[in-house]
Amino acid sequence: NAGVTQTPKFRVLKTGQSMTLLCAQDMNHEYMYWYRQDPGMGLRLIHYSVGEGTTAKGEVPDGYNVSRLKKQNFLLGLESAAPSQTSVYFCASSPRFEGLGYGYTFGSGTRLTVV
Amino acid sequence: KNEVEQSPQNLTAQEGEFITINCSYSVGISALHWLQQHPGGGIVSLFMLSSGKKKHGRLIATINIQEKHSSLHITASHPRDSAVYICAVRRPGGTSYGKLTFGQGTILTVHP
Repeated sequence: NAGVTQTPKFRVLKTGQSMTLLCAQDMNHEYMYWYRQDPGMGLRLIHYSVGEGTTAKGEVPDGYNVSRLKKQNFLLGLESAAPSQTSVYFCASSPRFEGLGYGYTFGSGTRLTVV
Repeated sequence: KNEVEQSPQNLTAQEGEFITINCSYSVGISALHWLQQHPGGGIVSLFMLSSGKKKHGRLIATINIQEKHSSLHITASHPRDSAVYICAVRRPGGTSYGKLTFGQGTILTVHP
């Protein structure tokens, strides 16, 4: 089934460690997003990409970097993890124009704990 | 004031009841999404609306563009409907790049 695949699903990091979250979509969507979800804060946009080779900052970009070297993949990096980055991370993708083919689709989430 | 407001924030129902969750927004939109998230689970898109009404099984979503209001109805509710329901709007125009603005979510609990 077409969709958005996130890896890993769970991860525990020590403060200062680095890691990369992987997101892959097979719906040929132009746009991709990384969100974080925290209790009482809802979903907040970290970074997004409007096409291969492009990235842009969202609401809460500090401490994260992203790359989109291929249209189907969007990577989220934490260079030096902090406990404040403990959260659930969701990747999503969207076509440029909704209503044609697959619409806005979320991945299953990555639960990250930084200790 | 948030651009997307949902009500109620919490909703408890008995199995079989008819449920309505409301969403009001204050900005222009190209589409409105209703999302579902089960506890500890992923986010699933239930509906994408730009006008009128859509139905899928026991779920019905409506939107009134002039009044900037949408409703999600669940007929014959079931305990498996217990989840957080999130309204999200997509702004129009090329520079919005499909970014969504989210409501705060409605926590629905359906008791057997």
